[in-house]
Amino acid sequence: SSELTQPPSVSVSPGQTAKITCSGDALPKQYAYWFQQKAGQAPVLLIYKDVERPSEIPERFSGSSSGTTVTLTITGVQAEDEADYYCQSTDSRFTYVAFGGGTKLTVL
Amino acid sequence: QVHLVQSGPEVKKPGASVKVSCKASGYTFTNHGVSWVRQAPGQGLEWVGWINTYNGNTNYKPSLQGRVTMTTDASTSTAYMELRSLRSDDTAVYFCASFTQARGDAFDIWGQGTLITVSS
Repeated sequence: SSELTQPPSVSVSPGQTAKITCSGDALPKQYAYWFQQKAGQAPVLLIYKDVERPSEIPERFSGSSSGTTVTLTITGVQAEDEADYYCQSTDSRFTYVAFGGGTKLTVL
Repeated sequence: QVHLVQSGPEVKKPGASVKVSCKASGYTFTNHGVSWVRQAPGQGLEWVGWINTYNGNTNYKPSLQGRVTMTTDASTSTAYMELRSLRSDDTAVYFCASFTQARGDAFDIWGQGTLITVSS
């Protein structure tokens, strides 16, 4: 199945660590990707191939994978991190792309 | 600097067609594929399809097959997405995004989005 499941919302205080999970049966076999989307803007790639971070993305963003779940961790959350976060994966032949439903991160 | 610049917003009537453009700059166009993703108002991201800019191969979301066509013009480094027989639930912001095998086919550069409104 290509379905990806995320929690609708996560709340965290500034300086704390936020963890956003994404579950899917295909994730042990397929890479996951993470995107940040702020209101009215295009998505921004945060993590690719489960754990790789583009050079322009701050080090406080990291990705991990365990079985059918991948996790985006934001260490030392800042107010500017308040946004929607989406995971994404594909089937084995890159013929189908699925996005998770998105998680709204609120910085208290 | 790598950029994807999309065409402007459009308002269409149900049953009409729309063609959105996505012009690339700052990289070799045929080295990166282009995917299209849409987002209905207040909703999440939905993949529409992708095109291999080198050989023109395409892959579309099954539910949109038959209504969507993706093409490219390498001479102008521009990708196009045409959606036909528009319905009200096609109202969304449509994004193009480039991808390359070097980043595991990650959608790493995104256009600014194009709002397509379908209304009678």
